[in-house]
Amino acid sequence: AQSVTQLGSHVSVSEGALVLLRCNYSSSVPPYLFWYVQYPNQGLQLLLKYTSAATLVKGINGFEAEFKKSETSFHLTKPSAHMSDAAEYFCAVTEPNYGQNFVFGPGTRLSVLP
Amino acid sequence: ETGVTQTPRHLVMGMTNKKSLKCEQHLGHNAMYWYKQSAKKPLELMFVYSLEERVENNSVPSRFSPECPNSSHLFLHLHTLQPEDSALYLCASSQGTSGRGEQFFGPGTRLTVL
Repeated sequence: AQSVTQLGSHVSVSEGALVLLRCNYSSSVPPYLFWYVQYPNQGLQLLLKYTSAATLVKGINGFEAEFKKSETSFHLTKPSAHMSDAAEYFCAVTEPNYGQNFVFGPGTRLSVLP
Repeated sequence: ETGVTQTPRHLVMGMTNKKSLKCEQHLGHNAMYWYKQSAKKPLELMFVYSLEERVENNSVPSRFSPECPNSSHLFLHLHTLQPEDSALYLCASSQGTSGRGEQFFGPGTRLTVL
């Protein structure tokens, strides 16, 4: 069965600094990987996804993530944090042909300091 | 309406009440999901419907009863709930269940059980 870990339940960065949110997964087959963002009192919104095409994936709002099979990682980055990036971020994994069972990580709360 | 909508947005109920949560997707998808999001816990998949048939039931107590009358609507019927059932209940939809397509989430219903 697949699983997801996100190192750091809370990450703080200064406005304009690099954002790095970590995600590691385990899966018995090459997975599909997703990053979602959740703003207060809202549902989850897809930032980006990896589905076995290019390993460097670009998403919305300037975020990108790189799939590294050797490290079983899918870390999320953004070169310059903006105040509006403050939210909860979730990494999720699913396996091809068993896709209904999305497994989400515990989430990382990102704070952006002025 | 666009995307995935959920009503009500907030619900307070006693342990002996019966209430229903409603979800509607306007995306033409054929799979729908119920998730439970509790504080300090990862997102928990409760039910999956594909083509209006239930394909996943992750050991959810019988006091939660889902209903999917068509591919656009999903309900979660609640009865004799417990205080620990207080959480944010999220509905999602996707095109197929292969895992390649992302899930689109509604804003959630914040449920409080007294």
